[in-house]
Amino acid sequence: KAGVTQTPRYLIKTRGQQVTLSCSPISGHRSVSWYQQTPGQGLQFLFEYFSETQRNKGNFPGRFSGRQFSNSRSEMNVSTLELGDSALYLCASSLAGPDEQYFGPGTRLTVT
Amino acid sequence: KQEVTQIPAALSVPEGENLVLNCSFTDSAIYNLQWFRQDPGKGLTSLLLIQSSQREQTSGRLNASLDKSSGRSTLYIAASQPGDSATYLCAVYNTDKLIFGTGTRLQVFP
Repeated sequence: KAGVTQTPRYLIKTRGQQVTLSCSPISGHRSVSWYQQTPGQGLQFLFEYFSETQRNKGNFPGRFSGRQFSNSRSEMNVSTLELGDSALYLCASSLAGPDEQYFGPGTRLTVT
Repeated sequence: KQEVTQIPAALSVPEGENLVLNCSFTDSAIYNLQWFRQDPGKGLTSLLLIQSSQREQTSGRLNASLDKSSGRSTLYIAASQPGDSATYLCAVYNTDKLIFGTGTRLQVFP
């Protein structure tokens, strides 16, 4: 069974631009969560989608948004990029939520 | 507010040693606790999941225990190998998301 995939793996953007990251969950998984990992803050929860609906949201500004499609694939968008948005963005999938979480390899975003 | 702490922050040991990594959390109202491994610049690999009703889980050389009432979990690694070198993260599923500890960076040298 294929694991969680994330594209692209690396991105370099400049301040003010916007970016879209993609996550394909394990087949049959309906919950997709997004996390930001930085050296200073560690791993922080961004949001979770289940059946195309945002079910939970972390403490991030409105510049961070996401969506989920009918095939459970999810995208995350960050608008008006800031230097502090440089991070490893990880998505995780699970069957329905509070189950075992399976993480993708991440997207490394660098904002210059 | 749930807080997760991991001790020690870093550990360097010779190959063959048995290790104990510690994780503590402040709110015992958790669904489950999960241990992960992260190699530099990579994603997280799930090692063990312990449901809140369970006391321990085992996989190969790994054994994780959970004492929900005291807010503690330990990850025991038997007969460590250089390939075990990585950062180990524990995370509790609390209400609606995973809350992570800051990790233990493990180095096993030959």
